[in-house]
Amino acid sequence: LAKTTQPISMDSYEGQEVNITCSHNNIATNDYITWYQQFPSQGPRFIIQGYKTKVTNEVASLFIPADRKSSTLSLPRVSLSDTAVYYCLSGLGGKLIFGQGTELSVKP
Amino acid sequence: GAGVSQSPSNKVTEKGKDVELRCDPISGHTALYWYRQRLGQGLEFLIYFQGNSAPDKSGLPSDRFSAERTGESVSTLTIQRTQQEDSAVYLCASSLNFGQGSEKLFFGSGTQLSVL
Repeated sequence: LAKTTQPISMDSYEGQEVNITCSHNNIATNDYITWYQQFPSQGPRFIIQGYKTKVTNEVASLFIPADRKSSTLSLPRVSLSDTAVYYCLSGLGGKLIFGQGTELSVKP
Repeated sequence: GAGVSQSPSNKVTEKGKDVELRCDPISGHTALYWYRQRLGQGLEFLIYFQGNSAPDKSGLPSDRFSAERTGESVSTLTIQRTQQEDSAVYLCASSLNFGQGSEKLFFGSGTQLSVL
């Protein structure tokens, strides 16, 4: 089963770029990497997904090196409202295992 | 509906009672997942359903837990003889595709279960 490892917490300040790296050493050939964001008292929300190289959307960028054993979520110019827990997830449908997540705290 | 709907949003029960939690997935989504999240913890996989295939129940923590799904619609998670350690938020998610590696899960807001 795909397993992911991320830092437990990170601190940042408004306006900074934040990079959160996730390790997924045993990722399978067909696995995608997906990141979710969770605010208190809410369910996780999809942010971005990729298979290799770089993906960018209106919210974030996702960098995946050639060996695909890790990925980095990049949040440009964070604001206070980006304070949340961020989860990376890899694996095919079914028993999708979430890691412990990274608690990002953005300070003014 | 527009999103995944879960009910009730909050449930307080006494130890030893049975509870039933409901999830209405997004229409057309073939896969449905249940997760448990204890306070300050990550998401713990419980079970998933995909179409008419047998569900993967490997994440259910004990035989007190069971879940059903009618076709590709509503699912119920039942916890019998609740214990205090069952207190958690129970999250349901659905996805349009399955087994292709590119699933995007859409979560409900969860049911906060408190066992006194």
